[in-house]
Amino acid sequence: DAGVTQSPTHLIKTRGQQVTLRCSPKSGHDTVSWYQQALGQGPQFIFQYYEEEERQRGNFPDRFSGHQFPNYSSELNVNALLLGDSALYLCASSWRLGTGTSPLHFGNGTRLTVT
Amino acid sequence: QQPVQSPQAVILREGEDAVINCSSSKALYSVHWYRQKHGEAPVFLMILLKGGEQKGHEKISASFNEKKQQSSLYLTASQLSYSGTYFCGTANTGNQFYFGTGTSLTVIP
Repeated sequence: DAGVTQSPTHLIKTRGQQVTLRCSPKSGHDTVSWYQQALGQGPQFIFQYYEEEERQRGNFPDRFSGHQFPNYSSELNVNALLLGDSALYLCASSWRLGTGTSPLHFGNGTRLTVT
Repeated sequence: QQPVQSPQAVILREGEDAVINCSSSKALYSVHWYRQKHGEAPVFLMILLKGGEQKGHEKISASFNEKKQQSSLYLTASQLSYSGTYFCGTANTGNQFYFGTGTSLTVIP
C-alpha cells in the first residue's frame, strides 16, 4: 500500500524564482492538504484540495497556489520566492475532506531552501 | 487560532510518565495527536471526537474535554522510542484544522 509520496526531497532556489512541489496521496485518499513547517515550529496549514478545487485556505499570500489532478495528486506552486519561504513543505492526504474525523497521512516532505 | 501546548519541552527517564496538554480558544469538533521524529514526517497517533471520549493505544492515551476546549495526551512507562515532538491538531466546526505549538519529548535511559 503506497503511502504519500512527495518530490523532490530537497530543492534550492534563488529569491524571486518560482517553484513547484508535487504530491501523490496515499492509495484510497482523495483529499490533499499542504503545510509549511519552519524549523522548530508546528506545521502551518496552506490549503486543502478536494475534487480538484481548493476548499480551505490558511493565512498564506496568493504567491502560494495549488492544483489537484483527476488522479488526486497535487502540486504546490510558490511564485516570487522570499528567503522566508525556506521551510519543509509537507503534503498530507485524507479521505473525503474529513480533516476533522479522518487521520492525516503525511509524506516525508520537500525541504526548500531559498538563497 | 493555533492551539497552545504545554509544556514546550520535557525530559523523562525510561519508565516515567508524562502529560502533554493542548488548549484552544475556539470551539472544537475534534482533536488529533501526532508524533514527529527529527527529520521525519508527523505520524498519526489518535483522533478524539467531541463527547469527552478518551482513547488509548497501549501505553499512550488521550482525553478531550470539549467544554474546556482542551485535550491531554498521557504517556505511561515511557520508552526510548517515544522521543520526538508531539503535536495536537484541532478541527473546528468550520472544518479548519490547525496544529499546535508542539511539545518536545526526550526519553533518556
